[in-house]
Amino acid sequence: DADVTQTPRNRITKTGKRIMLECSQTKGHDRMYWYRQDPGLGLRLIYYSFDVKDINKGEISDGYSVSRQAQAKFSLSLESAIPNQTALYFCATSAGLAGEETQYFGPGTRLLVL
Amino acid sequence: GEDVEQSLFLSVREGDSSVINCTYTDSSSTYLYWYKQEPGAGLQLLTYIFSNMDMKQDQRLTVLLNKKDKHLSLRIADTQTGDSAIYFCAESPNSGNTPLVFGKGTRLSVIA
Repeated sequence: DADVTQTPRNRITKTGKRIMLECSQTKGHDRMYWYRQDPGLGLRLIYYSFDVKDINKGEISDGYSVSRQAQAKFSLSLESAIPNQTALYFCATSAGLAGEETQYFGPGTRLLVL
Repeated sequence: GEDVEQSLFLSVREGDSSVINCTYTDSSSTYLYWYKQEPGAGLQLLTYIFSNMDMKQDQRLTVLLNKKDKHLSLRIADTQTGDSAIYFCAESPNSGNTPLVFGKGTRLSVIA
């Protein structure tokens, strides 16, 4: 079984709709991250959480919100989806050991906003 | 702020060696990483190197680190068509107290 899972794997929605992407992990890691990937732009960090009570904005947080429901769960919401939020979204986790921040990625959610 | 730069494309012939280069900015980065993303998949950790090392070898992969120039490279020997993917370089800035900073990725195309 995968250590980091994302649901749904694919989603089509309309402009203005609220949607939620979910991430679960069984690695026991404290740190979790949400990224989006667009062709030619690499990975851009949306939000990250270093523990259950910690939420931090990343490079491109506008139009997004997150919830860290438990150590194992970190969800990303688009309050009112717009077409330029069409992208591939990845969740990742890391252990947060001193100086070593290896991240482990989920399989991604492909989102299309019409 | 921290930045990681890498070229966007590389094309090599099957059987040749591939060298993917990366430059980073944070001299306090303790670990530097290479991730591989195959089509339609998430990123997988390929290898990493601790900052007090100059080189790390793992089967067909060789990582070279030049701390003075803040330059990291990944060499893939005997490149195969299955190596076609996007390769991301990443640094762990601020001694691991902030998230990894990723480059934009180098798309490696292997020509048979």
